Amino acid sequence: AQTVTQSQPEMSVQEAETVTLSCTYDTSESDYYLFWYKQPPSRQMILVIRQEAYKQQNATENRFSVNFQKAAKSFSLKISDSQLGDAAMYFCAYRGANAGGTSYGKLTFGQGTILTVHP
Amino acid sequence: GAVVSQHPSWVICKSGTSVKIECRSLDFQATTMFWYRQFPKQSLMLMATSNEGSKATYEQGVEKDKFLINHASLTLSTLTVTSAHPEDSSFYICSARDSAGGAYYGYTFGSGTRLTVV
Repeated sequence: AQTVTQSQPEMSVQEAETVTLSCTYDTSESDYYLFWYKQPPSRQMILVIRQEAYKQQNATENRFSVNFQKAAKSFSLKISDSQLGDAAMYFCAYRGANAGGTSYGKLTFGQGTILTVHP
Repeated sequence: GAVVSQHPSWVICKSGTSVKIECRSLDFQATTMFWYRQFPKQSLMLMATSNEGSKATYEQGVEKDKFLINHASLTLSTLTVTSAHPEDSSFYICSARDSAGGAYYGYTFGSGTRLTVV
């Protein structure tokens, strides 16, 4: 079974600074997708960024970027120029891409990292 | 973008009663709906997967007779917590996959339902 591990229960950052959230995963599947979701106090899950495993280029979305290391099974999220609105719980998630695979269609979430942004 | 409307946003019920939570995809057809449970400051735990017109598939350890899932149409899925007890109090979230969306995409989540059983 696939597992996703976020080893940082809590992180904090000063406004305008940069912070990196860690995520590792374990899978025997060759093709998959990785995601970072944000859950602010409203508890609405919001997709932050996504990465296809077969793409070597790291995904970026404005101030958010990832460092995808497939061999190391690592998928960290970097938030640049942190803003107060970035304060939330962040979840790393895995989804298999092979139809018929055990994780196809299902999102497997990490434990989450609570990010606090200090003004 | 795709929107999933989840209702109610919060509900308080008496122990022993049943509660129904609805999730509607507003501008797309949701062939698959996922139901999650989340405790405070914890991760989302997948409870079951429902496909339109077929029986839901429950994760190991989830009581299918307690958590009834119906996915009768491409835009509506419901979760009914039957004979609710205080230990069922939690935050329930649905998530839908657009039938027209590629496998690359994540899912659209409802805004969640906070259930309190007293």
